[in-house]
Amino acid sequence: ETGVTQSPTHLIKTRGQQVTLRCSSQSGHNTVSWYQQALGQGPQFIFQYYREEENGRGNFPPRFSGLQFPNYSSELNVNALELDDSALYLCASSLEQRQETQYFGPGTRLLVL
Amino acid sequence: GENVEQHPSTLSVQEGDSAVIKCTYSDSASNYFPWYKQELGKRPQLIIDIRSNVGEKKDQRIAVTLNKTAKHFSLHITETQPEDSAVYFCAASKGSNYQLIWGAGTKLIIKP
Repeated sequence: ETGVTQSPTHLIKTRGQQVTLRCSSQSGHNTVSWYQQALGQGPQFIFQYYREEENGRGNFPPRFSGLQFPNYSSELNVNALELDDSALYLCASSLEQRQETQYFGPGTRLLVL
Repeated sequence: GENVEQHPSTLSVQEGDSAVIKCTYSDSASNYFPWYKQELGKRPQLIIDIRSNVGEKKDQRIAVTLNKTAKHFSLHITETQPEDSAVYFCAASKGSNYQLIWGAGTKLIIKP
């Protein structure tokens, strides 16, 4: 198992609500990436944070936003939830020097009703 | 942008036989190619990776080959065991943030 943790593990929300998901990266890792994995599909890149700054973004609307804190933990915020936002949200952390090797947390399963 | 295609979507092999999963990528600038194993309800687990300056890498029963000219890479699992049953994903990345672009996954079934 990696040292990456995520909370909560499961979440149920209704359409239009807002949600905050949290990620604690592996010790020493200063880069966090977030992915959305719909059922039966591969993960899709949402964005990445490096030393508290956004360092790349995938094809997701602005209602998906994030933060990284000085201790390198991270949050993913989604506003105005839609039914299609139902998915497993994964965060992955990596070392600065080996930024390409990403280690995943267990994910947060979000269900939007 | 980068696009990664993965085949087959489902692969069923007899225990002890070999399994091969293939991926192609579109962006010749991609330079890092990891493979992840994901068991039902669990996190993706990195099982092996290869960088563009290497043609082949092996780790016990698992090997990955990369053909940069043809822009494809493959995962080889030998002497398959029941615990190899899972969904396997290939991915490709490049550049300053190494965002991973993933294939659609291969469900590997090991028949006893």
